[in-house]
Amino acid sequence: GAGVSQSPRYKVAKRGQDVALRCDPISGHVSLFWYQQALGQGPEFLTYFQNEAQLDKSGLPSDRFFAERPEGSVSTLKIQRTQQEDSAVYLCASSHRDYRGTSTDTQYFGPGTRLTVL
Amino acid sequence: AQSVTQLGSHVSVSEGALVLLRCNYSSSVPPYLFWYVQYPNQGLQLLLKYTTGATLVKGINGFEAEFKKSETSFHLTKPSAHMSDAAEYFCAVLSNYGQNFVFGPGTRLSVLP
Repeated sequence: GAGVSQSPRYKVAKRGQDVALRCDPISGHVSLFWYQQALGQGPEFLTYFQNEAQLDKSGLPSDRFFAERPEGSVSTLKIQRTQQEDSAVYLCASSHRDYRGTSTDTQYFGPGTRLTVL
Repeated sequence: AQSVTQLGSHVSVSEGALVLLRCNYSSSVPPYLFWYVQYPNQGLQLLLKYTTGATLVKGINGFEAEFKKSETSFHLTKPSAHMSDAAEYFCAVLSNYGQNFVFGPGTRLSVLP
């Protein structure tokens, strides 16, 4: 596709359920990022992949959050035992180059998945 | 660690008026600065970015921003607002390791007819 796609676009979960959010980056993009955007706030970094390697997961808020990118393309963000504070829009972004040094290659964002935990 | 502040969570301007959205940053290294726009139910779209070189940066849709190191600012401007400019605007700085963005809280721009 022409851009980053995410599915589902909307997800409603009951507290305690597990959810999986999918990101399809732009074909050939090396770097992939996940961000969490709470209502009325700016996106906050969760985790970063370079190809299949998860190089930074410092932003994941708890061990209930897990992300993978097993073949270096599609990525899945999984949230176990969801809590109400997990309600947010989860954004995925990809870029062409890796981030050794100070690469400033443009990050392209998907439309996000809006997660509501009841 | 870097941080970004945006003065004014909501800015209203009349159509045709000057748009000024403020962004200040803190960074221990020379910053790379970005402005993104977010329309309802859409992802973030890059407006412009400053890396090195000329401090006045021109972007899409008639927007521009000026990097002022002495003021640690990167304010976004547009000479004449259009109704289609109504959206959420985010200023961001690239992290120290050149990986992820650190975003400001955003400014919602309303354009009045």
